[in-house]
Amino acid sequence: DGGITQSPKYLFRKEGQNVTLSCEQNLNHDAMYWYRQDPGQGLRLIYYSQIVNDFQKGDIAEGYSVSREKKESFPLTVTSAQKNPTAFYLCASSIDLYGNTEAFFGQGTRLTVV
Amino acid sequence: GQQLNQSPQSMFIQEGEDVSMNCTSSSIFNTWLWYKQEPGEGPVLLIALYKAGELTSNGRLTAQFGITRKDSFLNISASIPSDVGIYFCAASWRNTGKLIFGQGTTLQVKP
Repeated sequence: DGGITQSPKYLFRKEGQNVTLSCEQNLNHDAMYWYRQDPGQGLRLIYYSQIVNDFQKGDIAEGYSVSREKKESFPLTVTSAQKNPTAFYLCASSIDLYGNTEAFFGQGTRLTVV
Repeated sequence: GQQLNQSPQSMFIQEGEDVSMNCTSSSIFNTWLWYKQEPGEGPVLLIALYKAGELTSNGRLTAQFGITRKDSFLNISASIPSDVGIYFCAASWRNTGKLIFGQGTTLQVKP
């Protein structure tokens, strides 16, 4: 089945540790996105990528890093510099960034930092 | 950064009623999208709009891309209990591809 897979669904980490969230897609989409969602709020864009080896900061990139070494994969690292990392993280992909921006989402990873 | 202002923030309606929500911005967009999210899940795409003035339906859902390209609305007719969820608008610019979201409208339907 084609789709976007995020793993794990739930993640617990101690404060001060870096953690990497996985996002894989087999839709052959060029563009991929990472969003953060806090309770009762909308989705805020962290990073996005239009092609392999290229990515752009979104509105809240501080404390996060990404890589795009393969078309299918766009992992997000939440670093210890992120002051409030507990949130629901959503990965998405679309055919491209220019005119075909219907984004399809994974099921999300709920990160809790204790 | 650019913002989408979505309203209302929440709605509590009786089954069978029609629902209307909208999104506005001070920026011009090339694409408007509407999503529904259920608890603990990722948003699911409902309707995509690509041309100013475009009116598109998907079953009981109808959405329009505003003539000014700065707004969009979503209507749900004859609501049913499974319509419950959070509805988000999203918009993007052709030149950058950056896709941003509104704050969401939480819909509750009373049987």
